[in-house]
Amino acid sequence: DAGVIQSPRHEVTEMGQEVTLRCKPISGHNSLFWYRQTMMRGLELLIYFNNNVPIDDSGMPEDRFSAKMPNASFSTLKIQPSEPRDSAVYFCASSLGTPGTGELFFGEGSRLTVL
Amino acid sequence: KQEVTQIPAALSVPEGENLVLNCSFTDSAIYNLQWFRQDPGKGLTSLLLIQSSQREQTSGRLNASLDKSSGRSTLYIAASQPGDSATYLCAVKGNQAGTALIFGKGTTLSVSS
Repeated sequence: DAGVIQSPRHEVTEMGQEVTLRCKPISGHNSLFWYRQTMMRGLELLIYFNNNVPIDDSGMPEDRFSAKMPNASFSTLKIQPSEPRDSAVYFCASSLGTPGTGELFFGEGSRLTVL
Repeated sequence: KQEVTQIPAALSVPEGENLVLNCSFTDSAIYNLQWFRQDPGKGLTSLLLIQSSQREQTSGRLNASLDKSSGRSTLYIAASQPGDSATYLCAVKGNQAGTALIFGKGTTLSVSS
């Protein structure tokens, strides 16, 4: 299997622009997670889905952030409008079973820089 | 709210040394604990998963232990090698249904040859 695939790997944008990050989980996995990693705060859970349904989005920092999972093989994380403090590495991860019970597999991450 | 702490934040050792990385968590009602490795610019790779009913898990030169009652886990690396240089993160999942993994900030290990 190709593993969790994220795109783009790097994104540089200007403040106020819309950013869309994409994720393809491992085939057959039914839990999907979006994390954000910064030096200051470490790895923070933003939102996760189980069977394409959002279970907990309490980690989403503001209404500027939104995530969707239209089907079992695709998810997006959108930031609109983006701000410099959104600069971070955004990771998507997937697992089999209910959230947290199975081994978690991470993508390579999308490094976002907002100028 | 569960909090996961890893101390030290960074560790440097010479090649061949045995070492222990520490992880502590505030809420002992956990379902499992996982240790991950992260190389610079890369995603996280799962190393070991310990269920709450287990005391330890082993994989090659790695051994992870879990003491739920004291809220602690250790990752033991035997005969360290330069290739072990990376950041090691632990993460815990709570017992409540629908909770996801909560991560520590990691320990960055440097093994010199």
